[in-house]
Amino acid sequence: EAGVAQSPRYKIIEKRQSVAFWCNPISGHATLYWYQQILGQGPKLLIQFQNNGVVDDSQLPKDRFSAERLKGVDSTLKIQPAKLEDSAVYLCASSPFVGYTEAFFGQGTRLTVV
Amino acid sequence: DQQVKQNSPSLSVQEGRISILNCDYTNSMFDYFLWYKKYPAEGPTFLISISSIKDKNEDGRFTVFLNKSAKHLSLHIVPSQPGDSAVYFCAANDMNYGGSQGNLIFGKGTKLSVKP
Repeated sequence: EAGVAQSPRYKIIEKRQSVAFWCNPISGHATLYWYQQILGQGPKLLIQFQNNGVVDDSQLPKDRFSAERLKGVDSTLKIQPAKLEDSAVYLCASSPFVGYTEAFFGQGTRLTVV
Repeated sequence: DQQVKQNSPSLSVQEGRISILNCDYTNSMFDYFLWYKKYPAEGPTFLISISSIKDKNEDGRFTVFLNKSAKHLSLHIVPSQPGDSAVYFCAANDMNYGGSQGNLIFGKGTKLSVKP
């Protein structure tokens, strides 16, 4: 079974530029998550989708971050404009349904904002 | 306000000995706890979990203990192997909280080094 796929693996941008990350969850998984992991911290949830609907985006900085999952499968996370403090690893995860006890993570995208 | 705390940033253990990783939580509504293991440049991978209705769950060399009254859990690895060297994250979930089920709250992690 293929795991959660993310791209790119690494990205370096200047502050105020925009960037987008892509995620393809495990086939058949209805729930998709985006987490932000800052160096030295644990992953923090940004947004949760159930199919193509948003379940929880309470911790997403909506003035600069946006995410979509239009067809209920793959998802993109965008940052515009980026700030230095956005430097982090962005992890995508999926699970079969809301309420499933564990999430399956991709390898992440390491973003460096200079 | 950190709801899940791992107060030891690092732990070094000799191969063959026991590794004990600790985790404390503050939210009494958490009812499901997980441990994830993370190697460099990889995403976290699920290791073991425990429901709040239990106080112990065992899977091979890995055992998780839960003390609800103390809001404390621990992961025991016996015997420790060099391949266990990784960052271990404790995570918690309130499985009864509406649509946020599955939203894991993570600690900062403990880096385990198992020396040959």
